[in-house]
Amino acid sequence: ILNVEQSPQSLHVQEGDSTNFTCSFPSSNFYALHWYRWETAKSPEALFVMTLNGDEKKKGRISATLNTKEGYSYLYIKGSQPEDSATYLCAFKDFNKFYFGSGTKLNVKP
Amino acid sequence: KAGVTQTPRYLIKTRGQQVTLSCSPISGHRSVSWYQQTPGQGLQFLFEYFSETQRNKGNFPGRFSGRQFSNSRSEMNVSTLELGDSALYLCASSLGAAQNEQFFGPGTRLTVL
Repeated sequence: ILNVEQSPQSLHVQEGDSTNFTCSFPSSNFYALHWYRWETAKSPEALFVMTLNGDEKKKGRISATLNTKEGYSYLYIKGSQPEDSATYLCAFKDFNKFYFGSGTKLNVKP
Repeated sequence: KAGVTQTPRYLIKTRGQQVTLSCSPISGHRSVSWYQQTPGQGLQFLFEYFSETQRNKGNFPGRFSGRQFSNSRSEMNVSTLELGDSALYLCASSLGAAQNEQFFGPGTRLTVL
């Protein structure tokens, strides 16, 4: 069974704090690593698709890095805002299918 | 452009019945994947259809099946429902390659009594 692990499971931060989460995945048979934001009562929304070792992607205050050789990806949020409160999911893709982590639930207090 | 739509949004069934869920992808997307989310579990991959063919399959029993039509719309069928099938079922559409984003629908909440 292929394991994708995310840590921490949950995080409570104050508005303005910067934070980061980790996604660990197998270092073999790597095709892509996807990050999603999932807000309550909404659909998961794609944040980044990462395919190359050393990839760095940025969208506004959110950025992500990828290390396929050691099997991890970091997601960073700079200056967290209450609207960043959501569950952040990563998904590892091998040749066949996606394997999702259980997510990191972020709560940003005003 | 219109997003991914799923029908119905909510469904209540009893054990032993069967159910069919529908997913309409974004126009031009040929890949549709189905996922199950149960309390305490992450998203579990059910299967993926691409150009009317099942391309990949997750580790679910044969009671779970699907198909895709020529317009890329997909249906998922669960026969002989069990209590444990109560879950949120999400579909996602994409262009089909590993580096393409997946766009998720709002999901169908299935409750089995």
